[in-house]
Amino acid sequence: SQTIHQWPATLVQPVGSPLSLECTVEGTSNPNLYWYRQAAGRGLQLLFYSVGIGQISSEVPQNLSASRPQDRQFILSSKKLLLSDSGFYLCAWRDGRDQPQHFGDGTRLSIL
Amino acid sequence: KQEVTQIPAALSVPEGENLVLNCSFTDSAIYNLQWFRQDPGKGLTSLLLIQSSQREQTSGRLNASLDKSSGRSTLYIAASQPGDSATYLCAVDSGNTGKLIFGQGTTLQVKP
Repeated sequence: SQTIHQWPATLVQPVGSPLSLECTVEGTSNPNLYWYRQAAGRGLQLLFYSVGIGQISSEVPQNLSASRPQDRQFILSSKKLLLSDSGFYLCAWRDGRDQPQHFGDGTRLSIL
Repeated sequence: KQEVTQIPAALSVPEGENLVLNCSFTDSAIYNLQWFRQDPGKGLTSLLLIQSSQREQTSGRLNASLDKSSGRSTLYIAASQPGDSATYLCAVDSGNTGKLIFGQGTTLQVKP
């Protein structure tokens, strides 16, 4: 069966520090991969999605970036975090457009 | 531009009641619609996926319906239990990119 792993579960970082969040999916190949942010009291905002290795689409201009170095690995990064980057970051995958999207457990990011 | 609305934002019911959660969308040209459950501080759990050609899907005590022409979906929960307490989100896949557009969610509390 397919599983998704996302880490770390919580992270506290100072303003201006770098960020790297990792997500991996097991039990499938060439999944569509997604990064979302859920700010407190707000809905889910799609940040990036990828339909294949090295193929990244950005939805919102920001100081975050994403990479997909391997088929089932999706990384969210920043060179310098801002206070506004605080939030709950969720990775998700699906096998195809007619399949359900599945989410990881999320990373709670707090910027001090 | 697709917009998804969920009403009510919050709902409190006594245990055992049957209840209906509503989801509406502005553009009827959808590919599919998915219902999720989110427990506090957790990721999203996929409940039901309805393709655009389908009218409803059922899983246990859950039944989701889709009326594309009116831009509506409902999630019916039968014989509600305290364990059903969570936030329920609907998401619509529309357009050419396969992105999900999420509603703000309905927070359900089932009282024992």
